[in-house]
Amino acid sequence: GENVEQHPSTLSVQEGDSAVIKCTYSDSASNYFPWYKQELGKRPQLIIDIRSNVGEKKDQRIAVTLNKTAKHFSLHITETQPEDSAVYFCAAGGSNYQLIWGAGTKLIIKP
Amino acid sequence: DSGVTQTPKHLITATGQRVTLRCSPRSGDLSVYWYQQSLDQGLQFLIQYYNGEERAKGNILERFSAQQFPDLHSELNLSSLELGDSALYFCASSPRQGNEKLFFGSGTQLSVL
Repeated sequence: GENVEQHPSTLSVQEGDSAVIKCTYSDSASNYFPWYKQELGKRPQLIIDIRSNVGEKKDQRIAVTLNKTAKHFSLHITETQPEDSAVYFCAAGGSNYQLIWGAGTKLIIKP
Repeated sequence: DSGVTQTPKHLITATGQRVTLRCSPRSGDLSVYWYQQSLDQGLQFLIQYYNGEERAKGNILERFSAQQFPDLHSELNLSSLELGDSALYFCASSPRQGNEKLFFGSGTQLSVL
């Protein structure tokens, strides 16, 4: 069946540095790629999403890139801050509208 | 506040029991999704309803069932509960069938003792 692999499972970066989380999907029909952030004890919240007709999207310090040929997409966070510490989930949605989720990445920002 | 309301926030029960979790979606949203999140684990998709009809099914156990009512609120029924069913259960809603932003509720923490 379809799956989404997410790496790394844990990422520790120095405050102010950049963080990159990568996801690979298996279903070539996938056309919607959201990223959710879940802070400790809170609900997941969408931080950015991209559709397959776009290669890159930015929102302030956050960007997502999509490589349809290689079937992978990445989340880039620049100038990391303590409030970026959270678990980040990627997902891929296809023609059946069902999201397939990655296993999550725990991002730790070191002061 | 996402606009999605889940009740109760916490539920403590014993093995073998049955519980019902309730979700009210954002006003105007037609889809409701149920997710299970065990401690320090990912989001496991259980089931989706769209405008009253089952739209997609994930890894939902036969002991679990759900429905969406005409007013679009949804209930998730968990029966013959086991210790391993202890988890945080999230409901989410979206305006249409999917491939769009999901708005998550604050979850119901279920503890089976």
